[in-house]
Amino acid sequence: DAGITQSPRYKITETGRQVTLMCHQTWSHSYMFWYRQDLGHGLRLIYYSAAADITDKGEVPDGYVVSRSKTENFPLTLESATRSQTSVYFCASSPGLGSGETQYFGPGTRLLVL
Amino acid sequence: AQTVTQSQPEMSVQEAETVTLSCTYDTSENNYYLFWYKQPPSRQMILVIRQEAYKQQNATENRFSVNFQKAAKSFSLKISDSQLGDTAMYFCAFMPQSAAGNMLTFGGGTRLMVKP
Repeated sequence: DAGITQSPRYKITETGRQVTLMCHQTWSHSYMFWYRQDLGHGLRLIYYSAAADITDKGEVPDGYVVSRSKTENFPLTLESATRSQTSVYFCASSPGLGSGETQYFGPGTRLLVL
Repeated sequence: AQTVTQSQPEMSVQEAETVTLSCTYDTSENNYYLFWYKQPPSRQMILVIRQEAYKQQNATENRFSVNFQKAAKSFSLKISDSQLGDTAMYFCAFMPQSAAGNMLTFGGGTRLMVKP
């Protein structure tokens, strides 16, 4: 199906473990984003990517690593998970400035770090 | 840096009535975009409506319309003929046109409950 998907949808892990959240979009959008949403708050940008092999930090990048070897995929890795990284993570994509600025969101991944 | 403020943490409205959600923002940019996103209990983020700052006409999408006051830096969302399915968190978001990366800044959200 076309659109933007995230996997896994739910993840429980332990402190110190490495976790990778996957994001895949079928629109060939240039831009992709990772946000986290904590209880009672809006979304905060972790990292974004303007194109394959181009990534940059957002508002809260510490503790996270991203890569983008292919346009359609944008994985987010927690190298050593901490309890403060318990959150709901949203991936989003957009065509880019000048081509449409609206961001379209995936369904989210709920991560619990014990 | 941009900030987006939603001053109403929670609101309720009777089915079929009209409700207005408030949003103010602070920016030194002249060209930008504003968005309202809806997040129902499923947690999916759904675009409701968008507004380009250079357009004076307020955006409308069926029962949803905005009141965009650029000088006042205000961007409120009006929902007419409220339906039970409108129950959700609503987030206002800002994107400067000059942003490298289409970065959105979100407000803290307003939880809307539509009562039967």
